[in-house]
Amino acid sequence: NAGVTQTPKFRVLKTGQSMTLLCAQDMNHEYMYWYRQDPGMGLRLIHYSVGEGTTAKGEVPDGYNVSRLKKQNFLLGLESAAPSQTSVYFCASSDRYQPQHFGDGTRLSIL
Amino acid sequence: GQQLNQSPQSMFIQEGEDVSMNCTSSSIFNTWLWYKQDPGEGPVLLIALYKAGELTSNGRLTAQFGITRKDSFLNISASIPSDVGIYFCAGYSNAGGTSYGKLTFGQGTILTVHP
Repeated sequence: NAGVTQTPKFRVLKTGQSMTLLCAQDMNHEYMYWYRQDPGMGLRLIHYSVGEGTTAKGEVPDGYNVSRLKKQNFLLGLESAAPSQTSVYFCASSDRYQPQHFGDGTRLSIL
Repeated sequence: GQQLNQSPQSMFIQEGEDVSMNCTSSSIFNTWLWYKQDPGEGPVLLIALYKAGELTSNGRLTAQFGITRKDSFLNISASIPSDVGIYFCAGYSNAGGTSYGKLTFGQGTILTVHP
């Protein structure tokens, strides 16, 4: 009963490097989301997807790209990492207007 | 945009005490959710509320969907050390015409329980 699985759990990058965060869900949810959580800022939506092959921008999309080639997977990419992207990243999934289920997060540090 | 005002921001209580926290908004919400986040983990759903006036319990936790649909409350009875964590309210609103159903989060209540 995995739910939402995020990989990796931790990562340290140098400024300018690129990387991809992977999210996988086994609940057959249509909707998937990427959030970042920073101290004092709460959860902020980066990008979301309402179905396979679709993506859309959230509140703070700059510097990130996403892809949803398969219904169960949602990838978040950083093309050129910046120190301001140091954060904890959470993936979530749900059906429309239903509770979102979260993964355990990826802790990302950009030096 | 829509905002959820969650209070208090933090609470320091003794084991065995009851806890109350709430979320308010100037907008109407159709669904209220309460999550708990333990250190180093993702938010976990505690209670979901779908109708105005609804009162739902989950063990020692009780939450209510306000009659005005603009607020929600979470109560924890007889707190224990493992209740420590951050509690978030969240809500779905149809306002703004978003097709995907934007989930709005409160800023969280940090709960500390002293043994």
